[in-house]
Amino acid sequence: EDKVVQSPLSLVVHEGDTVTLNCSYEVTNFRSLLWYKQEKKAPTFLFMLTSSGIEKKSGRLSSILDKKELFSILNITATQTGDSAIYLCAAQNTGGFKTIFGAGTRLFVKA
Amino acid sequence: KAGVTQTPRYLIKTRGQQVTLSCSPISGHRSVSWYQQTPGQGLQFLFEYFSETQRNKGNFPGRFSGRQFSNSRSEMNVSTLELGDSALYLCASSLTSGIPDTQYFGPGTRLTVL
Repeated sequence: EDKVVQSPLSLVVHEGDTVTLNCSYEVTNFRSLLWYKQEKKAPTFLFMLTSSGIEKKSGRLSSILDKKELFSILNITATQTGDSAIYLCAAQNTGGFKTIFGAGTRLFVKA
Repeated sequence: KAGVTQTPRYLIKTRGQQVTLSCSPISGHRSVSWYQQTPGQGLQFLFEYFSETQRNKGNFPGRFSGRQFSNSRSEMNVSTLELGDSALYLCASSLTSGIPDTQYFGPGTRLTVL
């Protein structure tokens, strides 16, 4: 059965800390991995990764995919209280179009 | 460009009733996916529609159904509601289907079953 597992489930850090969120996947016909940030209602898109070893960056956030070991990480440097959210990882397959989400990592950044 | 819209935003129903939720994708997007989000189970895939055809279906009972119209708007129907159907229902749209693509989520419909 296809699955996506995220760790840790929750995390509390102080402003300025660096955090690493983990996502492992087992998906038949894997094609891409997505990261989303969910603050209140709708998840907002962060990154889409399709190739191994190529880091994607957006400001203080960066992500990389390892297709051999079947995992991805999301790094957030110099965390701010506004980074407090649930971070969702999802794997997409090819052939059909199916997106499987992990349970999410709840990040709380203390001032 | 207007984002994905979902109506209604909140719903309260009782067990045994049925409900229909609506999703209007971003203009030009032809793929619409539906998800159920609960605290215990996280975000779970319900189904995906593309060009009025259901392309993929998750592991939900037949009480959950959907359809897509020619203008790409989609509806999801849940019949014979159960308490466990209380959840946030999110829809997401993307340009196409079958290739890696960014999904944009709507604000969700919060369904409470009493």
